Amino acid sequence: AQSVAQPEDQVNVAEGNPLTVKCTYSVSGNPYLFWYVQYPNRGLQFLLKYITGDNLVKGSYGFEAEFNKSQTSFHLKKPSALVSDSALYFCAVRRSSNDYKLSFGAGTTVTVRA
Amino acid sequence: GAGVSQSPSNKVTEKGKDVELRCDPISGHTALYWYRQSLGQGLEFLIYFQGNSAPDKSGLPSDRFSAERTGGSVSTLTIQRTQQEDSAVYLCASSNYREVHEQYFGPGTRLTVT
Repeated sequence: AQSVAQPEDQVNVAEGNPLTVKCTYSVSGNPYLFWYVQYPNRGLQFLLKYITGDNLVKGSYGFEAEFNKSQTSFHLKKPSALVSDSALYFCAVRRSSNDYKLSFGAGTTVTVRA
Repeated sequence: GAGVSQSPSNKVTEKGKDVELRCDPISGHTALYWYRQSLGQGLEFLIYFQGNSAPDKSGLPSDRFSAERTGGSVSTLTIQRTQQEDSAVYLCASSNYREVHEQYFGPGTRLTVT
């Protein structure tokens, strides 16, 4: 069964507008949640993580994500998108503290138009 | 500082040939992971090394795939008798034992089997 779902293959926004990339998970207990970004011809770069504590986590490049346990979601957000944010975004989950394997969503391609 | 490096960056091979992919993790990182990124399959876990412990090979798709890690540092992923379905980008990641949540990825090796 898929552990992580990214319901949108593509997200298109205008520069300066808010950006949201959706992610839901389906693991029990207290998952560890991550967002990674992949720029063209580059490796995956870590953006942010939720392990415990405050549901709103802040990460690199002005991104943040909110953990919502009741909705089993971990949506990535940026208040004002930049053209340089255009990339492929992956949500990932570790199912427990003893599980070191990352299960990735299918990815969402973000295009920010000038 | 130096990140995770992988070589070669691109590899084209004929069906039936063996290939070796190399990963140099970040110095001092005790954990090393291999993932595969392919169209239609997304990102999938292959194998995990942690220190001197026995590796977790549960993600290897067939017995044609093997990996080793020498001296707790460099790792080699070997694919024997390559098939066209092995074509993918092979990603290596490493993490610090103390910060095992964050995996740092290399740029990947793009393997094309003709």
